[in-house]
Order: sequence, then structure tokens, then C-alpha cells
Amino acid sequence: DIQMTQSPSSLSASVGDRVTITCQASQDISNYLNWYQQKPGKAPKLLIYDASNLETGVPSRFSGSGSGTDFTFTISSLQPEDIATYYCQQYDNLPPTFGQGTKVEIK
Amino acid sequence: QVQLQESGPGLVKPSQTLSLTCTVSGGSISSGGYYWSWIRQHPGKGLEWIGYIYYSGSTYYNPSLKSRVTISVDTSKNQFSLKLSSVTAADTAVYYCAREKADSSGWYDYWGQGTLVTVSS
Repeated sequence: DIQMTQSPSSLSASVGDRVTITCQASQDISNYLNWYQQKPGKAPKLLIYDASNLETGVPSRFSGSGSGTDFTFTISSLQPEDIATYYCQQYDNLPPTFGQGTKVEIK
Repeated sequence: QVQLQESGPGLVKPSQTLSLTCTVSGGSISSGGYYWSWIRQHPGKGLEWIGYIYYSGSTYYNPSLKSRVTISVDTSKNQFSLKLSSVTAADTAVYYCAREKADSSGWYDYWGQGTLVTVSS
């Protein structure tokens, strides 16, 4: 299985801050990388697909980049409603695998 | 608007079989074009993909669970189901059903709300 490693595992930032999360794959996955947001007690929500494409209806402050093994997810200006855990997911190889998550909190 | 809803027992005894059903509304499984997946999340942990089924009945399971998993589909009821046999406490998790486009898209655009299954005697 392809291992996905996210960092940091948690972070605390102020409203309006730029937040960056990284995801590293254990092998080249091209751009077959998605990002999800999960709020407590809720199902994950798709934010970014194919590394950099914003899902319809998702605010433009969310963005993604990268290819190969190294990927970045960015919130350009953190909002209170962005408090959640964020997961990356690869689908280059079956089974699809997820990162361990990054919990984002407000400072 | 597509909606998915999981249902089934919230408590299962060790060594027994966990059975869950996902009911799809707002779209027809038999129309094709989508894989219907089960994904689980251990308490306070990350996400683990269990497997998927296509409307035709073709399946793919996570090798780590393959010996214990069966996913089936009932297009007449617009449902698909998960059976996980010989459960232990390690199978305690929130179980989600989710939809993925069957064009190698690889992302899950619709999810059920999740159902917690506890394995305990």
C-alpha cells in the first residue's frame, strides 16, 4: 500500500493566518491526490481533487498544489469555520489510502 | 441531490458478523457510472478504505480485510451492503458509505453521515 504522511499532525493559528499542510506519498502518485475536511461528528467533505482542483462550492481560500510525492494544502486566510481535521488521500494505486490527518485549531 | 444513509446494528459481539446497509437516494445505483464504497474510521483515528462495488456486482476489497469482507448490491432497493465477519474490538469504528465516479476519478464526493459500530460482548 502507498503510505501517506501528513505534517504537522496538529496546528494552532490565528484567524486570518495562512495555514499550510503537507502530505508526502511513499511513492510517485502523479497528481492523484485529494484533500478532505472533516468536522467533529461529521463525514469528510471533498475540498480538492487531483491535487489542485477546487471542488464546486468550496471557498477559494482553499488551494492545493504538488505532484509526484510532495503535496501542499493551503488555507490562505483561516476562518473560524475552518476548524477541522484535514486529510489527504491518494488514488494512484488500490487500495486508496489516507494520511493520518492534520487537526487545525484557532489560537 | 444524492444522499447516502447507513443503517445497521450499533453493537456487535466478538466473533460475529457486522452487517450494514447503505441506502442511496437522489440517484440510481443501477444507472452505473459510480463505485459504491465502504470506508471506516477508528475512534480518534484516520480513514481506512474497506472496498467498493459496482452496480454490476463487481467488487474490490482492501487486501488487509479481504478474507473477512463481503460487499453486495441490491439495485431493486437502491442499496448496497457490507458484511465483515469474525469481528474483534479492533473493528470498532465509524463506518461510512461513499460514492466515487467510476471513471478513475478516485475521489469521494458524497458520503453518508456514518454509523458507529462497537464490538463488545
